[in-house]
Amino acid sequence: GQQVMQIPQYQHVQEGEDFTTYCNSSTTLSNIQWYKQRPGGHPVFLIQLVKSGEVKKQKRLTFQFGEAKKNSSLHITATQTTDVGTYFCAGRKRNTGNQFYFGTGTSLTVIP
Amino acid sequence: EAGVTQFPSHSVIEKGQTVTLRCDPISGHDNLYWYRRVMGKEIKFLLHFVKESKQDESGMPNNRFLAERTGGTYSTLKVQPAELEDSGVYFCASSQAVNSGNTIYFGEGSWLTVV
Repeated sequence: GQQVMQIPQYQHVQEGEDFTTYCNSSTTLSNIQWYKQRPGGHPVFLIQLVKSGEVKKQKRLTFQFGEAKKNSSLHITATQTTDVGTYFCAGRKRNTGNQFYFGTGTSLTVIP
Repeated sequence: EAGVTQFPSHSVIEKGQTVTLRCDPISGHDNLYWYRRVMGKEIKFLLHFVKESKQDESGMPNNRFLAERTGGTYSTLKVQPAELEDSGVYFCASSQAVNSGNTIYFGEGSWLTVV
């Protein structure tokens, strides 16, 4: 079954609005990564979070890792058309080797 | 520095045929991963090589899939015989070391269509 849940599956926003995607795991994660995939492209690494409660920022993007290390979020402030794409989280579970379990992705459409 | 390269970028084959996908990781990366994304589904882990050894192949769907990494450089993923449900995009990724601080770099993917 699905190891890492991600919501929403789709999101349409007006340019300038904010956007958030959420990632949840039923078990504790050792770390979590976020990727962006443009239409027709391949996943591109954005960031990795390791510590409980960690918050990292990249310009208009804010990434959070929950205190229990079971959930994470990506928030984009004032979206731009260049933000269009699918955002994936990928979590690595403790004691399960080195594979990352990907969420189903959130497809973001920004309406100019 | 060259990124992860995959070949072919697109392939259309008939059910029952064989297809071999190739991945060249970033030079010096010991870790090589294969992932697959079927239309509308999540990206699923297939297997992980450390150099030439299979570290984890728990994600391989069945024995029609065979992955190799002879010499610890490039890797191939063979599907024989291909079935309709094998259609999707196959991503290869590599990383320098497996620890909490290492980035995984993805290739462009090999888009496979089985008809």
